[in-house]
Amino acid sequence: NAGVTQTPKFQVLKTGQSMTLQCAQDMNHNSMYWYRQDPGMGLRLIYYSASEGTTDKGEVPNGYNVSRLNKREFSLRLESAAPSQTSVYFCASIRGGRGLYNEQFFGPGTRLTVL
Amino acid sequence: AQSVTQPDIHITVSEGASLELRCNYSYGATPYLFWYVQSPGQGLQLLLKYFSGDTLVQGIKGFEAEFKRSQSSFNLRKPSVHWSDAAEYFCAVGALTGGGNKLTFGTGTQLKVEL
Repeated sequence: NAGVTQTPKFQVLKTGQSMTLQCAQDMNHNSMYWYRQDPGMGLRLIYYSASEGTTDKGEVPNGYNVSRLNKREFSLRLESAAPSQTSVYFCASIRGGRGLYNEQFFGPGTRLTVL
Repeated sequence: AQSVTQPDIHITVSEGASLELRCNYSYGATPYLFWYVQSPGQGLQLLLKYFSGDTLVQGIKGFEAEFKRSQSSFNLRKPSVHWSDAAEYFCAVGALTGGGNKLTFGTGTQLKVEL
């Protein structure tokens, strides 16, 4: 049981390049999330997917797109990377469901630098 | 919308001393509250959570937290700090929304432990 996995662990991009961050969970969780972490700002929600087939914007969605490929996988895409997107990105998942609330499980993070 | 304030950006304590990290939240209904810990270069690990019931909750690694509704606080405590507790600590408040479960994080408190 690997939990939440993210690839890649590190990435360096040039301004304007595109890339996709991959996230997968093997816990049969319904909901998945993408956060970015910047010094002094904590974690901010980019997008989330409450269940397979649905996605919603979080606090800081501009410049990103997401795809909930299936129940296991939730990818984050940067179409045209900007230096302001230099950050550490975390994926998380939660069992969720209406009336239920449980902890979020986090992946190890992807450290992205945009030059 | 919910929010979390962690007023202390950095805290330094001596090994063996007691610790209290402050967290204040804003939420209109009964909050779901969490404390996470992040070691350098790692993802977030859940220390403890409060959903309902006893307002003093016990977590892993000897941590506890007390929910005080009248003060909108959920402070984290440990009676005797170990050098391995040096990390960043995040308080979070959760909410059920139409789109699913969402967490809002504080900006974190960096704990340094002096030997």
